Amino acid sequence: QQQVKQSPQSLIVQKGGISIINCAYENTAFDYFPWYQQFPGKGPALLIAIRPDVSEKKEGRFTISFNKSAKQFSLHIMDSQPGDSATYFCAASMNPTSGSRLTFGEGTQLTVNP
Amino acid sequence: GAVVSQHPSWVICKSGTSVKIECRSLDFQATTMFWYRQFPKQSLMLMATSNEGSKATYEQGVEKDKFLINHASLTLSTLTVTSAHPEDSSFYICSARDLTVAKNIQYFGAGTRLSVL
Repeated sequence: QQQVKQSPQSLIVQKGGISIINCAYENTAFDYFPWYQQFPGKGPALLIAIRPDVSEKKEGRFTISFNKSAKQFSLHIMDSQPGDSATYFCAASMNPTSGSRLTFGEGTQLTVNP
Repeated sequence: GAVVSQHPSWVICKSGTSVKIECRSLDFQATTMFWYRQFPKQSLMLMATSNEGSKATYEQGVEKDKFLINHASLTLSTLTVTSAHPEDSSFYICSARDLTVAKNIQYFGAGTRLSVL
């Protein structure tokens, strides 16, 4: 019940295209859903995050879509650039008073071709 | 954004020696820090949750006597890999939660690559 399932495992997109990564969760107690970007040999960096009270959040070229009833959320990268090539992790956590530990998805390796 | 500094970024040691990794929150206070381990092309695996002034909480399967965690202040947590062996070689990453923000945000360090010969 603590798992977060992420797909696809890898994704290749042409420059200017849209990258879409999907995640699904089981635990309805999760109330915070961040996306992290990780470059090789570096720690993850927070990209964008959403809470269940909204269905969509957009920051620049990055958009999270959230479907509470389906227990799914996705990351859309518009106008994908070669510099976006990295591994992306979705995650979920419960209320901070419950410990705030993050449960990570398996990761998606994104390659944006020039 | 908040900055978490992790040192060293890369360490090579001989089998049987101990290695200490530091994790510092530079511009915020963190009552809670987390330590992760990551194998190549895999996700982050939580090893332990470190709370300032108290004992760390270890995840199932993580040897607390091998991976010693100390969280002595609101800005510093350390992970010591004791009597390291080649199988301990991995990428170790810390994160810290900013308690001044009413959000459940974790900021990550840049990671430490440990190679045990």
